[in-house]
Amino acid sequence: EIVMTQSPATLSVSPGERATLSCRASQSASTNLAWYQQKPGQAPRLLIYGASTRATGIPARFSGSGSGTEFTLTISSLQSEDFAVYYCQQYNYWPPYTFGQGTKLEIK
Amino acid sequence: QVQLVESGGGVVQPGGSLRLSCEASGFNFRTYGMHWVRLAPGKGLEWVAVVSNDEISTWYGDSVKGRFTISRDNAKNTLFLQMHSLRADDTAIYFCAKETKNGYNPSYFDYWGQGTLVTVSS
Repeated sequence: EIVMTQSPATLSVSPGERATLSCRASQSASTNLAWYQQKPGQAPRLLIYGASTRATGIPARFSGSGSGTEFTLTISSLQSEDFAVYYCQQYNYWPPYTFGQGTKLEIK
Repeated sequence: QVQLVESGGGVVQPGGSLRLSCEASGFNFRTYGMHWVRLAPGKGLEWVAVVSNDEISTWYGDSVKGRFTISRDNAKNTLFLQMHSLRADDTAIYFCAKETKNGYNPSYFDYWGQGTLVTVSS
């Protein structure tokens, strides 16, 4: 099983600033890595797949990078609607599909 | 547009059973693998199970193997999760999720439902 570790657990950032979220895999996930945004009471939303490809309708301020074991999600200029929990997920080796424990992005 | 609507959650005693459903619309349901993923209080997302598009093959996470059964009815565009021998640590919001392939190859999840809450408590 590939263990996914996200850091930090909580990130406090002011609106308009840049946020950088990290995700590390215990073994190579190649570029089979997705990022999701989750808000309370809502369905998780796919942001990024293939480590760096934005999903349909996702604003350009969201970008993903990395390969192998180190991945990054960057939000270039935070909007109020971006404050949420973010999860990475590997789909290189399954079963099981595995997620990180999440990074909570909160308003500073 | 793609819609996934879960139902069937509720409060159940430890050792009990529950059956969740997920009604799908807005896409060709029989083409895609379908998953259940859960979110327990204070924890992260956990993948539960997947069923292939042709209703034939299933795979499970270790924590539910032997207790949960995933299935689907392509004629009714509906996904199911039959849960037996429920434990307190099964308490979670259960989401159904669509993948981009047929269930036999690795994929991410492009659409999710809003979830249904299962609470296991005496």
